[in-house]
Amino acid sequence: EAGVVQSPRYKIIEKKQPVAFWCNPISGHNTLYWYRQNLGQGPELLIRYENEEAVDDSQLPKDRFSAERLKGVDSTLKIQPAELGDSAVYLCASSPFVGAANEKLFFGSGTQLSVL
Amino acid sequence: SQQGEEDPQALSIQEGENATMNCSYKTSINNLQWYRQNSGRGLVHLILIRSNEREKHSGRLRVTLDTSKKSSSLLITASRAADTASYFCATRHNDYKLSFGAGTTVTVRA
Repeated sequence: EAGVVQSPRYKIIEKKQPVAFWCNPISGHNTLYWYRQNLGQGPELLIRYENEEAVDDSQLPKDRFSAERLKGVDSTLKIQPAELGDSAVYLCASSPFVGAANEKLFFGSGTQLSVL
Repeated sequence: SQQGEEDPQALSIQEGENATMNCSYKTSINNLQWYRQNSGRGLVHLILIRSNEREKHSGRLRVTLDTSKKSSSLLITASRAADTASYFCATRHNDYKLSFGAGTTVTVRA
């Protein structure tokens, strides 16, 4: 079975530029997560989708970050405009069921963003 | 905010030795999970222990959970070079949020 696919793998942009990350979860997985991981730290949740509904976006900096998950499958995370502090690895993860507590997450390889 | 805190931050051991790392958390959990991350890669799920369980095994991995102390430990027995990675505990709370700690970096020397 194909895993969680993210693109691009690396992205280098100048500050104030826009950037977008794409995620294709494992087929059939209803729950999708976007995490941000700073160097030497653990992942921090940005947003969680159940199907196409964003059920937890409390940690998403909404002034510059936006996300969408059309048709409850692929998802896009956008930053506009990017700031130096946004440099991090952006990880997408998915899990099979909606609202299931005892579920493990399947992670993609991430997009490493460098803002210059 | 990160709920779990791993200890130690870094660990260096000889191949064949055991590696133990600990995780402490602050609020009650539904379950606790351990993940491994190789350099430049995404996280891979290792093991999940529910709040009503005290110990769980999977291959060379042994996880314990003490809810009274709000702590967990991960033991890797007979370590191999391929075990070199960062290990994260993640706590699942009643709001379904999965919160990760800062991780323990394990280096296994040949």
